[in-house]
Amino acid sequence: DVKVTQSSRYLVKRTGEKVFLECVQDMDHENMFWYRQDPGLGLRLIYFSYDVKMKEKGDIPEGYSVSREKKERFSLILESASTNQTSMYLCASLPVGAGELFFGEGSRLTVL
Amino acid sequence: GEDVEQSLFLSVREGDSSVINCTYTDSSSTYLYWYKQEPGAGLQLLTYIFSNMDMKQDQRLTVLLNKKDKHLSLRIADTQTGDSAIYFCAERYNNNDMRFGAGTRLTVKP
Repeated sequence: DVKVTQSSRYLVKRTGEKVFLECVQDMDHENMFWYRQDPGLGLRLIYFSYDVKMKEKGDIPEGYSVSREKKERFSLILESASTNQTSMYLCASLPVGAGELFFGEGSRLTVL
Repeated sequence: GEDVEQSLFLSVREGDSSVINCTYTDSSSTYLYWYKQEPGAGLQLLTYIFSNMDMKQDQRLTVLLNKKDKHLSLRIADTQTGDSAIYFCAERYNNNDMRFGAGTRLTVKP
């Protein structure tokens, strides 16, 4: 079974702190994604990566950056967390060609 | 428009059928998906349909696709309390791009 693992299920940080959210997938998928999920807004794409060291902005990249140094790992970075970044963050991976998007369990971030 | 649209809420009684509707955006989308999210969990694939199909049935689930109207629906027969969750419609387009709806919260009353 494909497994997408997010390092932290729950995080509480203070405004201005740097936050790292880690995601690892074990199925050698080329594509990886970071979404945030907010009530009534569904999933909004922050960044995605289609290969190692490659990244593309999604719909709401402001305030975020990403890192893909290895194929299996895709990190989301909040350089200076703000309260409006309190949200559920979902990582996903997708194989090239046919197939589904596989999601991690999510990381719920609260910024105080 | 650019949004995948679906109703935010649906409430049904246990044993009834549930129908969740979705309108997607890109007529060239290759796959249409239904994901289920239970409280505190990530999204799990429930079912999907390839764009050259108009119906897919899988046990209690029936997916209908109307490409002309860009309309997708999910029917759950004999809905159970364990079906209470948020259901997301999603389309796959441009090979690797995905677009999601806001999710429909299904509440099943005993």
